[in-house]
Amino acid sequence: DIQMTQSPSSLSASVGDRVTITCRASQNIDDYLNWYQQKPGKAPKLLMFAASYLVSGVSSRFSGSGSGTDFTLTINSLQPEDFATYYCQQSYRTPYTFGLGTKLEI
Amino acid sequence: QVQLRQSGPGLVESSETLSLTCTVSTDSISNYYWSWIRQSPGKGLEWIGQIFYTGNTDYNPSLKGRATIILDTSKNQFSLKLTSLTVADTAVYYCASCGYSDDYGYFDYWGQGTLVPVSS
Repeated sequence: DIQMTQSPSSLSASVGDRVTITCRASQNIDDYLNWYQQKPGKAPKLLMFAASYLVSGVSSRFSGSGSGTDFTLTINSLQPEDFATYYCQQSYRTPYTFGLGTKLEI
Repeated sequence: QVQLRQSGPGLVESSETLSLTCTVSTDSISNYYWSWIRQSPGKGLEWIGQIFYTGNTDYNPSLKGRATIILDTSKNQFSLKLTSLTVADTAVYYCASCGYSDDYGYFDYWGQGTLVPVSS
């Protein structure tokens, strides 16, 4: 299986900050990398696919980059609604696998 | 916009079989892969498996053959059966659609989640 490692596991920030979350795959996955946001008691919500493509309706404050094994999710000008847990997921091959998440806290 | 609504029991006993159903509000159930994913504090998000409208399935080997996903296109539903439950199967279970853009797959719509505690 392809292992997905996220860092940091938790992150404290303030409204207006810019934050970056890193995801590393245990082998090359090209750009088959998705990002999700999850709030307590809710299902994950797709933010980005193919490493850098923003899902329609998602704020342009979110951006993604990377290819191969190293990826980043950047959130500019943090808003109160951005405080959540973020997960990366590889869709390169099954079994699809997720990172353990990065909890973004105030 | 696709909506997924899950149904199934809230509590199951160890060694029994879990049965969950996901009803899809779309006329295009044939256009997606349909997946089950679970989330537990210990293991995070874990993909269980998926089914295509052709009936083709793919499962996570970690479940050692205990999972079966079935599609009922006449009812716009797909279901999960997970046998030989143990406490380690305690999780929130989600159904999800797997959409595609070119060759890139992603879980774009999710059910509301069903908490399934497994009692010993």
